Amino acid sequence: NAGVMQNPRHLVRRRGQEARLRCSPMKGHSHVYWYRQLPEEGLKFMVYLQKENIIDESGMPKERFSAEFPKEGPSILRIQQVVRGDSAAYFCASSPAGNTDTQYFGPGTRLTVL
Amino acid sequence: QKEVEQNSGPLSVPEGAIASLNCTYSDRGSQSFFWYRQYSGKSPELIMFIYSNGDKEDGRFTAQLNKASQYVSLLIRDSQPSDSATYLCAVTPSGTYKYIFGTGTRLKVLA
Repeated sequence: NAGVMQNPRHLVRRRGQEARLRCSPMKGHSHVYWYRQLPEEGLKFMVYLQKENIIDESGMPKERFSAEFPKEGPSILRIQQVVRGDSAAYFCASSPAGNTDTQYFGPGTRLTVL
Repeated sequence: QKEVEQNSGPLSVPEGAIASLNCTYSDRGSQSFFWYRQYSGKSPELIMFIYSNGDKEDGRFTAQLNKASQYVSLLIRDSQPSDSATYLCAVTPSGTYKYIFGTGTRLKVLA
């Protein structure tokens, strides 16, 4: 019974490069959420997706960040032209359809921008 | 005013004691309340959720919710050194599914 999976677990990028973070929800879950945790800070909501739909992206920065959850395959959080301030832990969570309250978190991707 | 507030700590308690963690929130219409535990460098792990006023017990953990006062608390009985972690309070504001997290309270259980 696999939990939420994220990869890569660690990602190093130079300024200006692109970062792609992947998240596979728990089996049977069709709702995905992305959160960002800056060093010594709490988790901040970024985006909520269902298959092929962005439901709430109120926490996404207006530029350089995008997310998708295609019909097949994992959810992708994409950061273009990364800057040092993007260095953080990015967590994905999932919940089952019909029970959107309880979210289960993946292990996170730690992004370091040099 | 922050949407969800927690005392950052650290809160130090001796082994075997009761640890009391508190959280206040600003959105009076919030519906769902969660406690997560996060060890350093790890992901948040769900401990409990509570929706209704009153107490909810699960093993050594008790969540307490008071919507009129807009606070939620977590009690950990018989605290163990392995309980040492950061405890995150999360709230679902009215009309949304996203979590608003507090910054967490760091708990240290002293052996």
